[in-house]
Amino acid sequence: DAGITQSPRHKVTETGTPVTLRCHQTENHRYMYWYRQDPGHGLRLIHYSYGVKDTDKGEVSDGYSVSRSKTEDFLLTLESATSSQTSVYFCAISEDSSYNSPLHFGNGTRLTVT
Amino acid sequence: QKEVEQDPGPLSVPEGAIVSLNCTYSNSAFQYFMWYRQYSRKGPELLMYTYSSGNKEDGRFTAQVDKSSKYISLFIRDSQPSDSATYLCAMSDNYGQNFVFGPGTRLSVLP
Repeated sequence: DAGITQSPRHKVTETGTPVTLRCHQTENHRYMYWYRQDPGHGLRLIHYSYGVKDTDKGEVSDGYSVSRSKTEDFLLTLESATSSQTSVYFCAISEDSSYNSPLHFGNGTRLTVT
Repeated sequence: QKEVEQDPGPLSVPEGAIVSLNCTYSNSAFQYFMWYRQYSRKGPELLMYTYSSGNKEDGRFTAQVDKSSKYISLFIRDSQPSDSATYLCAMSDNYGQNFVFGPGTRLSVLP
C-alpha cells in the first residue's frame, strides 16, 4: 500500500464534535492529499500539501482544515462534524508534481457522523 | 453536466471476455489521464497513466485516449474473476494538484 497508513480506519462521532484523521507515509514524498469518496461523486479533493507547513485548498474544503508539521504526517480536522461529512476519506501521496509521479492511496478512513 | 462522466455499471462479463471501460470529459485542457482499480474497502490502486492522446499497453490492460472526442477507454483482455472491482478514471490539466475523478464503474467477472 505504498507505505501509507491512515488512522483510525473507522470512526463514529456525533454532530458538532471535532474529529482529526491522520495520514502517515514512509516514502518521504513531498505531496500529500486528502480526498473524500461518496457514491455517485467519485473522489473529490479536500486539501493538499506540497511541503511541510505548505497547504492549499481543494474542491470541497469548507468545514475542513489540515496541518503538516512533518514530511511524513498530514492531518485532516473536521472542526465541527456534520452529517454531510459522513464519507470515506482517503489520503494520497506523490513524489512531486511531474507526470512520472502518480498518486498512491491509503486504504481509507470510514467516518460516520450521527 | 459533470466534468467527468463514467457509466456506474454494474458491468457483468464471463471470465475470458474482453472488457471495455470508458470515460467522457468536458474540459479540453485535460492532458494527463489515469485509470485506478479499487477493491471493496480498499484504496484506489494505479493501473495505467498516459499523457495526451494515443494508446498504452501493459500486460492485459490497454489504455486509449481520444482527445478530439474527449473520450478515454481501458480495455482488459482475458478478464479474470480477480479483475472484479470498481474502475476509476482520473484526469488533470496540471499534474499533481487537481485530478478530477470519475465516479467509477463496478465490474464483475463471473467464473
